[in-house]
Amino acid sequence: DIVMTQSPDSLAVSLGERATINCKSSQSVLYSSNNNNYLAWYQQKPGQPPKMLIYWASTRESGVPDRFSGSGSGTDFTLTISSLQAADVAVYYCQQYYSTPYSFGQGTKLEIK
Amino acid sequence: QVQLQESGPGLVKPSETLSLTCAVSGYSISSGYYWGWIRQPPGKGLEWIGSIYHSGSTYYNPSLKSRVTISVDTSKNQFSLKLSSVTAADTAVYYCARFHYDVLTGPGYMDVWGKGTTVTVSS
Repeated sequence: DIVMTQSPDSLAVSLGERATINCKSSQSVLYSSNNNNYLAWYQQKPGQPPKMLIYWASTRESGVPDRFSGSGSGTDFTLTISSLQAADVAVYYCQQYYSTPYSFGQGTKLEIK
Repeated sequence: QVQLQESGPGLVKPSETLSLTCAVSGYSISSGYYWGWIRQPPGKGLEWIGSIYHSGSTYYNPSLKSRVTISVDTSKNQFSLKLSSVTAADTAVYYCARFHYDVLTGPGYMDVWGKGTTVTVSS
């Protein structure tokens, strides 16, 4: 099974500043035949279901603000929020869909400093 | 606009079977995608349970496979989850979701989620 590990567990960033969340997989999630990284990012606000932000490691879902970006390849990935807004306070999860059982990171709680 | 709505008992007794249904609106299950379930214990992270195609093809989490059955009813445009022999460890918010399908790896990321339903296992 692929284990997903996020860092840090929690993060406090000032409004307007950059927030960076890391995700590491225990094995590569890059499929060589199509050069796609099978990695997604979700945002979950309190009392709400997760919301898809990014898939294929760097493709933003329709309607997601462009301050959210994803990068990385193989086993190391990053979610960046370029200029933190109050609405971005949430828990963020990465997920691999390279192989079953599909697995999530433990989550990173993002707060305002 | 695709919408998913979970329904089912909020309280289940230990050793009994948890049964939930997810009604899909705004999209025909028979048109494609995988559909499935994810759960989140109180204060914890997300766990994929399993996914199903309209043909009945399924993928299950091996950690739950012996207790899980996911089925689909295309005539009602809904799919269901049954989890047998439940214990307190199965207490969680259960979400249904639509899964993007990849020809190489099967069900993938989840692009549409239901609001979730809380299931408590207690006598």
